[in-house]
Amino acid sequence: EAQVTQNPRYLITVTGKKLTVTCSQNMNHEYMSWYRQDPGLGLRQIYYSMNVEVTDKGDVPEGYKVSRKEKRNFPLILESPSPNQTSLYFCASRLTVSTGGLFFGEGSRLTVL
Amino acid sequence: DAKTTQPPSMDCAEGRAANLPCNHSTISGNEYVYWYRQIHSQGPQYIIHGLKNNETNEMASLIITEDRKSSTLILPHATLRDTAVYYCIVRVANRAGANSKLTFGKGITLSVRP
Repeated sequence: EAQVTQNPRYLITVTGKKLTVTCSQNMNHEYMSWYRQDPGLGLRQIYYSMNVEVTDKGDVPEGYKVSRKEKRNFPLILESPSPNQTSLYFCASRLTVSTGGLFFGEGSRLTVL
Repeated sequence: DAKTTQPPSMDCAEGRAANLPCNHSTISGNEYVYWYRQIHSQGPQYIIHGLKNNETNEMASLIITEDRKSSTLILPHATLRDTAVYYCIVRVANRAGANSKLTFGKGITLSVRP
């Protein structure tokens, strides 16, 4: 089954404790991206990646890092989480040239105390 | 990307067609209309997209007016599981090397009642 898998789905952590949210897709998609969703602000793009070893900032990259060492994986790294990073996070992927849409993961709800 | 306007909410009876409107009066000639939905904090789900011709797939139909200033997403036989927030997005089609960023507005909340 074609899917985008995120882990963990739920996480409560404390300020400053480094964490990684993993994202993996099994569709051989070149493009991957991370969004966060907050009440009243909608979905905002954090980072995106066109292909392996190619990443770029989205609209709200501060406090986040990403890496793309393999095509299928695109982890989101919070080196020193803060409470304002409490949010619902979504990973998404798509083919580079396609007439379809983005495939989204099921989301990761992160709470930073 | 052109801005879209959707009513905040609507409802329909289960089994009936749900017609969700979207206005995009500033749409450019090379911009497509995309529809996504999000069911209660789940990941957004792609539904359909089109440029100027009407489109149909297994989930829905998309009707775009001739002047392309508005469109309607049609769920032909709505079920309770179709209750969700539906987003109409207008953007240039994805091309090689481009950031496929989507800008989601507030969408329209569809409530399907038994």
